[in-house]
Amino acid sequence: DTEVTQTPKHLVMGMTNKKSLKCEQHMGHRAMYWYKQKAKKPPELMFVYSYEKLSINESVPSRFSPECPNSSLLNLHLHALQPEDSALYLCASSQGHLETQYFGPGTRLLVL
Amino acid sequence: AQSVTQLDSQVPVFEEAPVELRCNYSSSVSVYLFWYVQYPNQGLQLLLKYLSGSTLVKGINGFEAEFNKSQTSFHLRKPSVHISDTAEYFCAVSPRSGNTPLVFGKGTRLSVIA
Repeated sequence: DTEVTQTPKHLVMGMTNKKSLKCEQHMGHRAMYWYKQKAKKPPELMFVYSYEKLSINESVPSRFSPECPNSSLLNLHLHALQPEDSALYLCASSQGHLETQYFGPGTRLLVL
Repeated sequence: AQSVTQLDSQVPVFEEAPVELRCNYSSSVSVYLFWYVQYPNQGLQLLLKYLSGSTLVKGINGFEAEFNKSQTSFHLRKPSVHISDTAEYFCAVSPRSGNTPLVFGKGTRLSVIA
C-alpha cells in the first residue's frame, strides 16, 4: 500500500480565517513533506519532517505552521493567508528523507 | 547542488504514436532519478525510478526510461500512447547523500491527440 491521504480535497478561506490541512500515511514512513504547487509549475518544497522533527523549512512565511503529532500524521495550520497563497498543497512521505517519495492527491486552496 | 532540465515544455503526439520526454540533470554527487506523472486536478504519481543496477527501467502504464550517466540524461519513452496518457510529467533527482530531498524539473505537458 503506497497511499497518502489528504483532507480536505478543496478549501476556500478568507484572509482572516484559521484552517488546517491534514495528511496521513500508514506505510511506516519516517519522513513527511509539504509542498506548494502553483498552476503549470513543479511542486515547491515547504517543510520536511524526519522522525517527527522539523528538519527543513524552506523560508516559508510564518502564516504557515506545520505540525507532526505522530509518525503517521502531518498537519499544516493556516492563518492570515494572502490571495497569492492559493495553490495545490501536496503532502508526501518516504521511508527516509532521501528515499522515494509518495504523494497524496493534494488540497486545492483558494484564499479570498 | 542538483538541477533538472526538461527540454520540452509541451509535447503533442497522435494516439498510438511513440513518445520520448527528455530529461537532463546536473549534480556534483551521485543521484537517484524519478519520473512522476500528474493527471489534471490530481496529485503526483510515481511512474518509475532509477536507484541502481540496470540502466533501463520499466514503470507503470507501459513507460520506460534509460539512465545515461555519460550524457546525464534520463529520458522517458512509451512505444504507443493513449488518450489517457495526457498529463504533466515531472523528472526529479535526489542526491544519494546530503540534505536536499528532491529537485524537480519544470515539467512537460504531454497532449495526446485522437
